[in-house]
Amino acid sequence: QKEVEQDPGPLSVPEGAIVSLNCTYSNSAFQYFMWYRQYSRKGPELLMYTYSSGNKEDGRFTAQVDKSSKYISLFIRDSQPSDSATYLCAIKIQGAQKLVFGQGTRLTINP
Amino acid sequence: NAGVTQTPKFQVLKTGQSMTLQCAQDMNHEYMSWYRQDPGMGLRLIHYSVGAGITDQGEVPNGYNVSRSTTEDFPLRLLSAAPSQTSVYFCASSYWTGQYREQFFGPGTRLTVL
Repeated sequence: QKEVEQDPGPLSVPEGAIVSLNCTYSNSAFQYFMWYRQYSRKGPELLMYTYSSGNKEDGRFTAQVDKSSKYISLFIRDSQPSDSATYLCAIKIQGAQKLVFGQGTRLTINP
Repeated sequence: NAGVTQTPKFQVLKTGQSMTLQCAQDMNHEYMSWYRQDPGMGLRLIHYSVGAGITDQGEVPNGYNVSRSTTEDFPLRLLSAAPSQTSVYFCASSYWTGQYREQFFGPGTRLTVL
């Protein structure tokens, strides 16, 4: 079983839709949760970081963590064509050096 | 700031050849790492370094060597290229914000091994 599972998609939605991207993880020791955005032929860039269970909002983006279910989500409101990218979740244990990445979900927002 | 730079952008090798992927950062970050990205596999850690002179293995280190003689540079060496090493390679440097480690990725090197 992979430590982090993410549906690779592809996911295609119309402009303005609410997008939900999800990851599940197996190790309850994971404490830090991140979402990276990767445009085509570019390196990933950090989009959001959360530490605890609950929601964290940043503009049109909301990151949600449910530690009891080992489930994390990224919601994008009022999606734009510029949001078309691959989104990767990444999770880390406190004190450990490495991040464990999900497979990435390829998202396309259609105008 | 140039951030994290990687060279070359593209490379084609024959099986058995060796080469070095270059990575440099100008942000004075102590922590640097190398990942490979394959379809359906996400990013997998190859090697990392917590400072000059200190390196350690990641998840998939076989077939790769690293060294860290300066804070700025972290080259990745392929000793004897194999088709299984065809991938996109990303170098990253990071710093501790006080709450989390923020990583900055380079633009990647696309490697094909024939």
